[in-house]
Amino acid sequence: QVQLLESGGGVVQPGGSLRLSCAASGFTFSSYGMHWVRQAPGKGLEWVAFIRNGETNKYYADSVKGRFTISRDNSKNTLYLQMNSLRAEDTAVYYCAKQYLRRIDHWGQGTLVTVSS
Amino acid sequence: DIQLTQSPSFLSASVGDRVTITCRASQGIGNFLAWYQQKPGKAPKLLIYGASTLQSGVPSRFSGSGSGTEFTLTLSSLQPEDFATYYCLHLNTYPCTFGQGTKLEIK
Repeated sequence: QVQLLESGGGVVQPGGSLRLSCAASGFTFSSYGMHWVRQAPGKGLEWVAFIRNGETNKYYADSVKGRFTISRDNSKNTLYLQMNSLRAEDTAVYYCAKQYLRRIDHWGQGTLVTVSS
Repeated sequence: DIQLTQSPSFLSASVGDRVTITCRASQGIGNFLAWYQQKPGKAPKLLIYGASTLQSGVPSRFSGSGSGTEFTLTLSSLQPEDFATYYCLHLNTYPCTFGQGTKLEIK
């Protein structure tokens, strides 16, 4: 069965950096586009970024463009989110999620990122 | 960017009720809309995709309709496990966007 396991969350100071990872299993990782979605405490879902299966096309929410970078290593079945210049408003649970055709069909359980001094 | 306006934000209903949640897109998105259910502390769960196709394993009391700019999620005969927050999501173009969510509470 599809499993997505995020890691790398934690507490970081404003202006700092963090790299999230998402280990995928149970499907052919290299064949599917992947997303990062976040949810601030007590708030709704916010789409963050998407990368196509071929690693070439990447898309970002305006709120993270220029600060976050999505990438993947298909040889390691792993998705990444490099987060730089972090702000308090980036505090959230970050989910990785798998795309199938025009839907997100599987989600990880999330990793919490807290930006605080 | 395409915006999704979901209504209502809060909905109070009883077991056995029929409820409808609406999602309006700021421009046409064909049928590239999905609906998700989220319970506290859990990841979202896919209910409906392609605006009206029921995801495998989802009870038939959930249904979706619409195309273009107006979409609805209907829950017929609410069950206790249906009380949760519901989100719409468009994947027509990038950036994708979610609706702001509808919290369904027990009356």
